[in-house]
Amino acid sequence: DSGVTQTPKHLITATGQRVTLRCSPRSGDLSVYWYQQSLDQGLQFLIQYYNGEERAKGNILERFSAQQFPDLHSELNLSSLELGDSALYFCASRKGLAGDEQYFGPGTRLTVT
Amino acid sequence: QQQVKQSPQSLIVQKGGISIINCAYENTAFDYFPWYQQFPGKGPALLIAIRPDVSEKKEGRFTISFNKSAKQFSLHIMDSQPGDSATYFCAATALNTGKLIFGQGTTLQVKP
Repeated sequence: DSGVTQTPKHLITATGQRVTLRCSPRSGDLSVYWYQQSLDQGLQFLIQYYNGEERAKGNILERFSAQQFPDLHSELNLSSLELGDSALYFCASRKGLAGDEQYFGPGTRLTVT
Repeated sequence: QQQVKQSPQSLIVQKGGISIINCAYENTAFDYFPWYQQFPGKGPALLIAIRPDVSEKKEGRFTISFNKSAKQFSLHIMDSQPGDSATYFCAATALNTGKLIFGQGTTLQVKP
């Protein structure tokens, strides 16, 4: 158990809908990263937050957004969902801004029908 | 320049054998190279990592070999066990960003 928690574990929704994925980092970790894992694209970095502020963006669609709250949990919001958004979404956390390992949560499996 | 190329895509090894997975990168700014192990239905778990100032790092049965001039690194699993059957991802990052760039993954099956 990495200490990173994610909810829900599974999510099934229809095209055009909006969902929110939640991540709680390990105790004491200030950085949260979001990754998407799909069969065709592999594991891809989406976005990073550090202590409430956005720090880096990767291949994140404009339909997707994220935030990190004062208690350091983070939410990834996916809107206008398409079939191609079906994937595993992982968050990872680390203590600081740089220089140490990232620990991954168990992921949320999103299925868009 | 951000890519990390991983091979092979899949690997079958007999119990007790050596599993070898290779990765190559292009971006010379990368300064941290972790390997993750992922079981079905689980998140990636950090296995072992190396920084480019050393050419080899060993932890138990797992060894990373690093060739800075060739921009290549590899994972060796000695005495492979059926419990090692999983998907392995190499990754690379510049530590000041932490953004991990992953290889495509290698599915390892260790036959008893």
